[in-house]
Amino acid sequence: NAGVMQNPRHLVRRRGQEARLRCSPMKGHSHVYWYRQLPEEGLKFMVYLQKENIIDESGMPKERFSAEFPKEGPSILRIQQVVRGDSAAYFCASSPPDRGGETQYFGPGTRLLVL
Amino acid sequence: AQRVTQPEKLLSVFKGAPVELKCNYSYSGSPELFWYVQYSRQRLQLLLRHISRESIKGFTADLNKGETSFHLKKPFAQEEDSAMYYCAPKIFSGGYNKLIFGAGTRLAVHP
Repeated sequence: NAGVMQNPRHLVRRRGQEARLRCSPMKGHSHVYWYRQLPEEGLKFMVYLQKENIIDESGMPKERFSAEFPKEGPSILRIQQVVRGDSAAYFCASSPPDRGGETQYFGPGTRLLVL
Repeated sequence: AQRVTQPEKLLSVFKGAPVELKCNYSYSGSPELFWYVQYSRQRLQLLLRHISRESIKGFTADLNKGETSFHLKKPFAQEEDSAMYYCAPKIFSGGYNKLIFGAGTRLAVHP
């Protein structure tokens, strides 16, 4: 089991461009969580998804950010019209369907830099 | 307000000294509590959970319901313990269990 995969590991975008971050959960995991870590700050919950469903998006900014977890393929966190304040590390975690999110397995993160 | 607090952003100690990383929570009920660790250039990983009452890498954490604390302790710090540590209660909210991460404490162990 390769663990949670995220790509790209580093992403550089200019202001106004779009950023797409991908997360492939561990095999057999159907729950995906996205977190953001701003420089010198802790992890902030963004969104919790199950296959084809958004369960909790209370941590997502209301505009420009969206997430999906399709039936096939990785989960995608999409940031439209990026601004400098979006520069951060974005972490994805997954958990198996019967564990209630108690043990989350984290990916290596994607470090987004907005110029 | 429900929250988890890690009051120290940075804890700096010398090798062999005792370490205590503080965590206080203010959630109602009896949440389950976890400590996660992130070593340099590695992904975040589970260190220990209070219900298992285990010691991992020499670390222990005791849940004090009276003080609503879950401090992480190690009697003799090692240089390889240098990392970012996150306290995380599991709460039931919005119809499901979720982990709430504290702001984290960076532990720096000097030779």
